[in-house]
Amino acid sequence: DTAVSQTPKYLVTQMGNDKSIKCEQNLGHDTMYWYKQDSKKFLKIMFSYNNKELIINETVPNRFSPKSPDKAHLNLHINSLELGDSAVYFCASSQGGVVGINGELFFGEGSRLTVL
Amino acid sequence: LAKTTQPISMDSYEGQEVNITCSHNNIATNDYITWYQQFPSQGPRFIIQGYKTKVTNEVASLFIPADRKSSTLSLPRVSLSDTAVYYCLVGTDPSGYALNFGKGTSLLVTP
Repeated sequence: DTAVSQTPKYLVTQMGNDKSIKCEQNLGHDTMYWYKQDSKKFLKIMFSYNNKELIINETVPNRFSPKSPDKAHLNLHINSLELGDSAVYFCASSQGGVVGINGELFFGEGSRLTVL
Repeated sequence: LAKTTQPISMDSYEGQEVNITCSHNNIATNDYITWYQQFPSQGPRFIIQGYKTKVTNEVASLFIPADRKSSTLSLPRVSLSDTAVYYCLVGTDPSGYALNFGKGTSLLVTP
């Protein structure tokens, strides 16, 4: 069983479209994240949710809207896609935050978004 | 978040020991040092974490000197499958919920 699963794995779309990426974790964790990895391979946090509550919202355009219907799911909706949104988006989860000895992040396999 | 500096890339032959050093001069007292591994087309995977001295698990060892301003990830007898990017992370943002990964060290293992 995949611990953190994302769908779709690949997504190719036109500029201006709206798309969603879904994420589910079956680890019983209470915190979930979205990360973006650009072409230069930097992996930057976008959002963090703890018990369905938004904890971190980095300087991400308003076109990106995360939604957490329950602790096991964190979906990412992107409006009016732009060329610069092309990247690999990773979902992750942890139990509590990432401070301290138990703060291990579990990542999904990523969703590669290509905007044409 | 403590700033970290690690080599951009390293090469090794199979069977050798690989040591990747990370500098983190402004590490805070309560910061842990964590290393992740990322294979192509996969998400990062936790390898090892430590606070001071030496930590060893089935995958790697982590050496942390007394001043904690650097750390060294040691991979014993690497194989081709150890080719990956290795990230050194120190501390989090004040919320405790954010880890930003740097560029990491791209390790290439060849026969």
